[in-house]
Amino acid sequence: SQKIEQNSEALNIQEGKTATLTCNYTNYSPAYLQWYRQDPGRGPVFLLLIRENEKEKRKERLKVTFDTTLKQSLFHITASQPADSATYLCALRTGGNQFYFGTGTSLTVIP
Amino acid sequence: DAGVIQSPRHEVTEMGQEVTLRCKPISGHNSLFWYRQTMMRGLELLIYFNNNVPIDDSGMPEDRFSAKMPNASFSTLKIQPSEPRDSAVYFCASSRQGTTGELFFGEGSRLTVL
Repeated sequence: SQKIEQNSEALNIQEGKTATLTCNYTNYSPAYLQWYRQDPGRGPVFLLLIRENEKEKRKERLKVTFDTTLKQSLFHITASQPADSATYLCALRTGGNQFYFGTGTSLTVIP
Repeated sequence: DAGVIQSPRHEVTEMGQEVTLRCKPISGHNSLFWYRQTMMRGLELLIYFNNNVPIDDSGMPEDRFSAKMPNASFSTLKIQPSEPRDSAVYFCASSRQGTTGELFFGEGSRLTVL
């Protein structure tokens, strides 16, 4: 069956450290992999996407890697801040334009 | 742009009642998606439309659920009759097909069925 797993439901890190979130998938052939941020009581907000033929993408303090052999994406937030505390979701977009989401990782950055 | 607009934001109803959730996508977006979010199952894709036509409704859980998109600026998700296990946050999202396709979500409709 198709599955998207994100590492541990909750991740706590110290301010200033790098947060690394993992997204693993099985039985998908995604055209794109995207990362979203969701704050409590709000809808998810798009952050970054990476294509299947790209290894790495960066945007300010964010970095995403994509390994189609391992079927894994890593999402890094460098120099983390308390304002980065939120739930982060990975999403796979298939060639048929469906988007499938992982269950999310709740990140808390401790001052 | 006002973003994706959903209504109602909160709905509390009794089992057996009909529930209608509404969505206005971003102008110019031609793909629309309905998702359901629960703690146990995360975000589940229910149905999506391209150019107002339902393309994939395989995620719709039962015949009690139906969705329509009568025009490019309006969609509804209806549950009839509602059951307590339908309690969840329902999100609508839109995107512009042919681009990298990031989704723009509404703020969600929190449904509680007693």
